[in-house]
Amino acid sequence: KAGVTQTPRYLIKTRGQQVTLSCSPISGHRSVSWYQQTPGQGLQFLFEYFSETQRNKGNFPGRFSGRQFSNSRSEMNVSTLELGDSALYLCASSLASATNEKLFFGSGTQLSVL
Amino acid sequence: AQKVTQAQTEISVVEKEDVTLDCVYETRDTTYYLFWYKQPPSGELVFLIRRNSFDEQNEISGRYSWNFQKSTSSFNFTITASQVVDSAVYFCALSEATGNQFYFGTGTSLTVIP
Repeated sequence: KAGVTQTPRYLIKTRGQQVTLSCSPISGHRSVSWYQQTPGQGLQFLFEYFSETQRNKGNFPGRFSGRQFSNSRSEMNVSTLELGDSALYLCASSLASATNEKLFFGSGTQLSVL
Repeated sequence: AQKVTQAQTEISVVEKEDVTLDCVYETRDTTYYLFWYKQPPSGELVFLIRRNSFDEQNEISGRYSWNFQKSTSSFNFTITASQVVDSAVYFCALSEATGNQFYFGTGTSLTVIP
């Protein structure tokens, strides 16, 4: 069974640009969550999608948005990039037949903002 | 407020030594879930254990063991007879009954020296 797949693996952007990251969950998983990982802040929750609806949202500005498609694949978009957005963005999926199930993580997208 | 504290930022041990990684959490909920994840250099977080707040039994899985004590709000992780392959960053995480949002500690970087 394929794991969680995130593309691209690396991205380099400049300030002011926007970026879209993609995540394909494990087959059958309906919940997709996004986390930002930085050396200073650690892993911080961005949002969670379940059945194409945002179910939970963390404390990030509106520049961070996401969506989920009918096949459970998810995209995350960051607009008007800032230097502080440089981070490893991790996607995680779960069956979500109930909440608080273990998350399966992808390898992440390393975003560098210059 | 929810919070997970991993006071040990970095630990180095010599191979075959035992090592304990500390995790202290804060939550107002009576129902919650605790997790440990391992992040090797590849970046993908690997699930190790999930424990709910009503199950205080300690657990052992091979060289890994976990000690959950509600009285001290701690969920510590011990690796017995450490190996070089155990070198990684280890994260403790908390998830409350409502919602699927995980609160991660800042991680403990473990280096096992051959």
